[in-house]
Amino acid sequence: GAGVSQSPSNKVTEKGKDVELRCDPISGHTALYWYRQSLGQGLEFLIYFQGNSAPDKSGLPSDRFSAERTGGSVSTLTIQRTQQEDSAVYLCASSLPFLYTQYFGPGTRLTVL
Amino acid sequence: RKEVEQDPGPFNVPEGATVAFNCTYSNSASQSFFWYRQDCRKEPKLLMSVYSSGNEDGRFTAQLNRASQYISLLIRDSKLSDSATYLCVVQGGKLIFGQGTELSVKP
Repeated sequence: GAGVSQSPSNKVTEKGKDVELRCDPISGHTALYWYRQSLGQGLEFLIYFQGNSAPDKSGLPSDRFSAERTGGSVSTLTIQRTQQEDSAVYLCASSLPFLYTQYFGPGTRLTVL
Repeated sequence: RKEVEQDPGPFNVPEGATVAFNCTYSNSASQSFFWYRQDCRKEPKLLMSVYSSGNEDGRFTAQLNRASQYISLLIRDSKLSDSATYLCVVQGGKLIFGQGTELSVKP
């Protein structure tokens, strides 16, 4: 069956531009997570969606970062006015409610020049 | 203090060696525990869940000590294909990932 998909796989942008990253979770998975992983570093939690509940945005590093999840499925992570320190791999994961295994997408490698 | 801390590594071991990874967590209310594996430039994948009584999956053994807030992963008879970064993951609400421990198994 289809796993978690993310697009684009790679994104190169100029400092100051806005970018949108997309995540398609596994069908039926109500939980969706966004993480960031810088080179050689661990995963940094960004935001978590669970069903119709208010998202947990506690990991978003600044107000330049926002995320939406439309119709309880596809999610978009938006980074406004990108900075060089935003360069990282952005990983999306989905799971059945909460206590179940997370399945990760292949990630979007973002490079801000 | 980080919520989840792991040995920084890297661990460089010969094939056939036994290697142990340690992890500590700060939130005593944490409910679930996992080990994930991440290959170079790939996404993390679940290796195994960690149960209170300890659990084994082939060459891999995971243990949990709630009193000490400590988790371990033991790999016996290591293979070249075990080379990866091993991530300790703790759930108390959202999942919190450790920084990972890199393992390199040499011929």
